[in-house]
Amino acid sequence: KNEVEQSPQNLTAQEGEFITINCSYSVGISALHWLQQHPGGGIVSLFMLSSGKKKHGRLIATINIQEKHSSLHITASHPRDSAVYICAVRPGNKLVFGAGTILRVKS
Amino acid sequence: GAGVSQSPSNKVTEKGKDVELRCDPISGHTALYWYRQSLGQGLEFLIYFQGNSAPDKSGLPSDRFSAERTGGSVSTLTIQRTQQEDSAVYLCASSFSGTGGIGYTFGSGTRLTVV
Repeated sequence: KNEVEQSPQNLTAQEGEFITINCSYSVGISALHWLQQHPGGGIVSLFMLSSGKKKHGRLIATINIQEKHSSLHITASHPRDSAVYICAVRPGNKLVFGAGTILRVKS
Repeated sequence: GAGVSQSPSNKVTEKGKDVELRCDPISGHTALYWYRQSLGQGLEFLIYFQGNSAPDKSGLPSDRFSAERTGGSVSTLTIQRTQQEDSAVYLCASSFSGTGGIGYTFGSGTRLTVV
């Protein structure tokens, strides 16, 4: 069993829809990161969470440390949100990555 | 610099040759990480440098892989006697501290193809 599980693996949405991507992990962590990877490979760090909730524009990330679960929400989705969203946890010095969620937002 | 710079952006090499990949982190970032993303696979940790501490090499897949970081800044990842399974995108990231600070900044990666 992977230490970090993401769901769904693939997600297709219509423009404007509310999107949720889930991440569960099985190890103790000091922080959890949400990353965005666009075609061509560039990775952008969206959030770093150790508790509670963070919001940046249309993106919201939450974490429940007791349940070892995090969610990334996208409100009013747009085709430019199409990317791979990766959950990564930090149990020590390094990041342990989920397999990613491929999001496609259709106009 | 303004971001994490990696070079070359693409490298095609013959099986058995040695390659060097370079990462120039953001100035002032004390932590530097190398990751690898093979085709269709997730990201895989390779090595971590934090300041003057001994690096965490626990992710290096074999003794053909080595990395160094000179002067606490630029890092070089060296792969000796390359094999086809080494083909991947090699990503470098840096942060203010080993705790990830406000987050990581990733370079654009080096796409290595071993033929």
